[in-house]
Amino acid sequence: QSVLTQPPSASGTPGQRVTISCSGSGSNIGNNYVYWYQQVPETAPKLLFYSRDQRPSGVPDRFSGSKSGTSASLAISGLQSEDEADYYCATWDDRLRIWVFGGGTRLTVL
Amino acid sequence: EVQLVESGGGSVQPGGSLRLSCAASGFTFSSHEMSWVRQAPGKGLECVSYISSSGGTIYYADSVKGRFTISRDNAENSLFLQMNSLRGEDSAVYYCVREGLGFGDPLDYWGQGTLVTVSS
Repeated sequence: QSVLTQPPSASGTPGQRVTISCSGSGSNIGNNYVYWYQQVPETAPKLLFYSRDQRPSGVPDRFSGSKSGTSASLAISGLQSEDEADYYCATWDDRLRIWVFGGGTRLTVL
Repeated sequence: EVQLVESGGGSVQPGGSLRLSCAASGFTFSSHEMSWVRQAPGKGLECVSYISSSGGTIYYADSVKGRFTISRDNAENSLFLQMNSLRGEDSAVYYCVREGLGFGDPLDYWGQGTLVTVSS
């Protein structure tokens, strides 16, 4: 059971906008930045979006994140077939004193 | 170029031990906090251990506390994970992960992972 809660799946058609939610608590999301990762099967996770509205070099601005209270969300606009992957939210947990992740959301581009 | 290269994975029987290593290059290793994150087959990500840049602060997930030991050698730019009393549920790909330097920076670079299989 993951500390952060994500929907197991999401889907959209090319060009659509999809959002993926991530729910936590006061000791994690409520008190820390939230980060988003993309993972294509059989590869390591890749950082997508993080604090202060930042994206690593090479990540298109179609990807954006937001946070409110103890929840966060990742929005992907202009959906493309190459966006089909697993997406994970992550943050530090002040009570557990460890990095915590969501269970992952598999995005399917129809 | 930042590189993190894990090694030491393999197959081991329940109750056995393995020592994972991570060779870091392309950045000032001694300045960065590091973590080990694992992913069981078909499952999500789980951080099993964290170590501060100096090695003076260490944390473990409850699932591995008392069985795993994280350490680092800043002179050799290396991170380690000693895993004892291994169980089937420890089977996973283990990633060596770097944390960024700034306040609020994420786990920003991941190694390619090393596979640990615990089975009789």
